[in-house]
Amino acid sequence: DAEITQSPRHKITETGRQVTLACHQTWNHNNMFWYRQDLGHGLRLIHYSYGVQDTNKGEVSDGYSVSRSNTEDLPLTLESAASSQTSVYFCASSGTGTGGTEAFFGQGTRLTVV
Amino acid sequence: AQTVTQSQPEMSVQEAETVTLSCTYDTSESDYYLFWYKQPPSRQMILVIRQEAYKQQNATENRFSVNFQKAAKSFSLKISDSQLGDAAMYFCAVRGGSEKLVFGKGTKLTVNP
Repeated sequence: DAEITQSPRHKITETGRQVTLACHQTWNHNNMFWYRQDLGHGLRLIHYSYGVQDTNKGEVSDGYSVSRSNTEDLPLTLESAASSQTSVYFCASSGTGTGGTEAFFGQGTRLTVV
Repeated sequence: AQTVTQSQPEMSVQEAETVTLSCTYDTSESDYYLFWYKQPPSRQMILVIRQEAYKQQNATENRFSVNFQKAAKSFSLKISDSQLGDAAMYFCAVRGGSEKLVFGKGTKLTVNP
């Protein structure tokens, strides 16, 4: 069965370190998204991609970067982790030109920056 | 820009009763889709129901139904015969031509036995 997986599920890191969160999907979806979830804020879009070599900034992109070298993966990098980036991170994917179809989410990564 | 507002941070319902979660949205697009997602304590995001804006008929999925009022930009979720397993965070979301999902802040639903 097709799926979307994130790793790790939990991570603790120190302020200032570079951190990369992995997202891998086997749906063959062109669209991939990274969100962060914080209490009182719902899910906010960090970065997204419509296909290989395409990346775009979302509403809370400062301090984050992504790259898309293939269809399956969209890793999220925190260049220099800050305590404000402690959050739960979700990756999602969806098909192209099918706005009404379901977006599939990974299980989430809980990141703690100490 | 699209926005979604969920005005009820928390709701509670008795088991077997009916509850309605509110959602209003704003978009300048004419072609868009609306969604309700459920997030149980496991953190998994689960699609509950979707509505195409061009359809007048309200979507229904078993015990879940929506009241879609396009002119008022309102998209409420009704859960009938509430079950303990319905306890979760519920997120309303809108998606337009950009394919991006824009979420509300969520409503935490508690189901009392």
